[in-house]
This record gives sequence, structure tokens and C-alpha cells, in this order.
Amino acid sequence: SAVISQKPSRDICQRGTSLTIQCQVDSQVTMMFWYRQQPGQSLTLIATANQGSEATYESGFVIDKFPISRPNLTFSTLTVSNMSPEDSSIYLCSVGLAGGVGTDTQYFGPGTRLTVL
Amino acid sequence: AQTVTQSQPEMSVQEAETVTLSCTYDTSESDYYLFWYKQPPSRQMILVIRQEAYKQQNATENRFSVNFQKAAKSFSLKISDSQLGDAAMYFCAYGVDDMRFGAGTRLTVKP
Repeated sequence: SAVISQKPSRDICQRGTSLTIQCQVDSQVTMMFWYRQQPGQSLTLIATANQGSEATYESGFVIDKFPISRPNLTFSTLTVSNMSPEDSSIYLCSVGLAGGVGTDTQYFGPGTRLTVL
Repeated sequence: AQTVTQSQPEMSVQEAETVTLSCTYDTSESDYYLFWYKQPPSRQMILVIRQEAYKQQNATENRFSVNFQKAAKSFSLKISDSQLGDAAMYFCAYGVDDMRFGAGTRLTVKP
């Protein structure tokens, strides 16, 4: 497995502002993922962030709203831009570790709880 | 598109008893992974168990085991000797290149 940390753990922000969430892992990983978990809901994949390439966004998520950086194999950031109350969610990063055929097993960070007023 | 369905929004079990959480999925792939994750109130997603679709043998991890029926596209989780610490949201997930999650089942454990 891997040890994954996220900063901040929680934040309360004003609408119209932006927040950058950091994700740090204790080992080098190729695949990192960002998820959103709205209150009482399941996880929805925002984007896949592989080092050395542009992030790949899922339908309904755009780079202008959720820019992602992946400067090296142990770190990534997700920015939530021009926030509105609808962006209030838990944001989780995960890393994929090789498990064989197809997808890697994903291990998750502790999440960032964002409240937008 | 792959979908994952958890038909039980909530389940309850008496401490020390056994409970089974259901999950079905839809895919046209032949090789993939299936997962059960646990999310306690701390919101940390914890991997409970993992199953490779090419393996016929059901995965087990201590008190946790799965019943994987590939033809039926069914992947249930059995928790034996339930403990109070098992109380959490349980998410079933399907993975090939990325991961898709079901809606979750909230498990309550009664003392």
C-alpha cells in the first residue's frame, strides 16, 4: 500500500474564490486520481493525473474549473476554481499501485472537506 | 459504460453475526478487478478486499470474503463475526483502467 496525505483536511471558503488541495504520497506512483464525494453520495472521478502528461477529465468536469498539476511522481494538486456552494464536497485523491492485469488497486488519501458559503 | 449497482442502501447486523452486502455490475470486459472499500465516519476510504476477474477462487481477508459470480456479474461481500468497528459505508467498485463506484451500503452493527 501507500501512505497518502492531503492538505488541507478541511476548509470553509467564500463563493467566487479558489482552493488548491495538495496530495502527497510516500512513494513514486504513475497514476493518481482525483474524486469528488458530494454529501451522502458515492465517489465520482474528476480526472486522472499521470506524471508528464495532461490530466484526463471525466465527462462533466473541465480543466478551467478543476485545474490539476502533477509535477512529479509523488505529488499532485487539484484546484477548485470560482467556487459556488454546489462545490461543497469531500475531495479525495488516490494512487494506483500495480496489481497485475488492467487497473491498479487504488489507495486513498484522507480527503479534504470543502464547504463553500 | 460500466455501472455498479448496490441495491441495499442500508443494512443492519447484530454484533458477532454474519451479514452479506450485495453488488452487481455491468461490463463487456473479460479482465477486470472488483473491490470493496469501507468508509467509516472519518471518511478515509479503506480497501477491504480485492478480486481479480480471471481468478475463479473467491477472495478472503480474515472475516471478509466475497462471492464472485462472473457469469451473473455479481460480487457480494460477506462479513463474519461482525464487530462494532465494522460499522461504515461500504462501496463496491469495478476497475479496468479507472474505477467506478456503486452508491454504497450503510452498515450498522448493533451491540
